[in-house]
Amino acid sequence: DAKTTQPTSMDCAEGRAANLPCNHSTISGNEYVYWYRQIHSQGPQYIIHGLKNNETNEMASLIITEDRKSSTLILPHATLRDTAVYYCIDKTSYDKVIFGPGTSLSVIP
Amino acid sequence: DVKVTQSSRYLVKRTGEKVFLECVQDMDHENMFWYRQDPGLGLRLIYFSYDVKMKEKGDIPEGYSVSREKKERFSLILESASTNQTSMYLCASSLAQYTGELFFGEGSRLTVL
Repeated sequence: DAKTTQPTSMDCAEGRAANLPCNHSTISGNEYVYWYRQIHSQGPQYIIHGLKNNETNEMASLIITEDRKSSTLILPHATLRDTAVYYCIDKTSYDKVIFGPGTSLSVIP
Repeated sequence: DVKVTQSSRYLVKRTGEKVFLECVQDMDHENMFWYRQDPGLGLRLIYFSYDVKMKEKGDIPEGYSVSREKKERFSLILESASTNQTSMYLCASSLAQYTGELFFGEGSRLTVL
């Protein structure tokens, strides 16, 4: 079973920041947090990952709390094309990658 | 660009048929994975492989087998397809065991009648 919990669904207005939370309260010191998204009828796409520092790339920012028990994926200016299911995963070096149900994000015009 | 290619986007098979789903990656990745995705159940790991000729069971291996004779190719086999194997099948690869960055194919939607 997935070790992370996420809200089932969220809405965001187009052009606004989308903040997607993830709870990983049982995360251990050597586990990374990975985020993926899946647009309808496509395979999941890797977005970003982090260990304890905040991370940013061209797609998103990842904010990890100091205790590492939760994180937030931020899409700074959501567009309609960001409508997708977003998955948060925690993983050690030798774990399998297990997907939970994720958060279904709807970007509203 | 990295690429994971699944041989068929859509397949329709009959109960009892043997089904092969092929996956090829062009990134020289060590690891390859097969997941199935069903509404309400999310992505579930069927089998994975960390090296040529090696395979490991995932969470739902029953009714499936796999083959990895070459590094770039990972095949999923349904020996005798059943209607409850109607699903979307997703292949993925990753550079090495330590990373959680997986690259997915577009998926193969299998319907078993």
